Amino acid sequence: AQKITQTQPGMFVQEKEAVTLDCTYDTSDPSYGLFWYKQPSSGEMIFLIYQGSYDQQNATEGRYSLNFQKARKSANLVISASQLGDSAMYFCAMSPLSGGYNKLIFGAGTRLAVHP
Amino acid sequence: GAGVSQSPSNKVTEKGKDVELRCDPISGHTALYWYRQRLGQGLEFLIYFQGNSAPDKSGLPSDRFSAERTGESVSTLTIQRTQQEDSAVYLCASSLGQGPDEAFFGQGTRLTVV
Repeated sequence: AQKITQTQPGMFVQEKEAVTLDCTYDTSDPSYGLFWYKQPSSGEMIFLIYQGSYDQQNATEGRYSLNFQKARKSANLVISASQLGDSAMYFCAMSPLSGGYNKLIFGAGTRLAVHP
Repeated sequence: GAGVSQSPSNKVTEKGKDVELRCDPISGHTALYWYRQRLGQGLEFLIYFQGNSAPDKSGLPSDRFSAERTGESVSTLTIQRTQQEDSAVYLCASSLGQGPDEAFFGQGTRLTVV
């Protein structure tokens, strides 16, 4: 069974500082993908970054990077140079990559507040 | 269409009534997901369709909930005999369903049971 755990219900960061949002996961699938989504107050779900379980390097997308530690089953999101517009809910998600079965499940989310 | 479309965007219904929520996925996307999001909470998985395979219904909370999908197009989520605890935003997402690809979300249907 798949499980995603986000232990930080809320985080705050000063504008222009970096912040790390934690995500741990549990799966028996040998191959899987890890995703982060942002949900601003408007409610839309915005894809941020993806990491494959067999990727050798940590994924980066602009100010977002994923600190992937496979042995510890963690996939933390790092946001550098925080901006006020980064204030939102952030969800970690996982999908197995076996046999065309890609059920996507989400963690409970972390609410990030960026202070000026 | 350009994105995932859900209708209605808002629905207010009386307790005990049935409701039907609709999702139009992105054309060509074989995978379709339904999630429930209660106020201030995370996304609760409901059901997953992948091509012609049997859907994964493991997240449906009770037999009052059902969903169908016509081929690789429109899906409907039906809630029978609605209860106040069903009040939430129901989100639909679709993806290519071919390995590691992002899911694209609709704007959701906000259901309020009074």
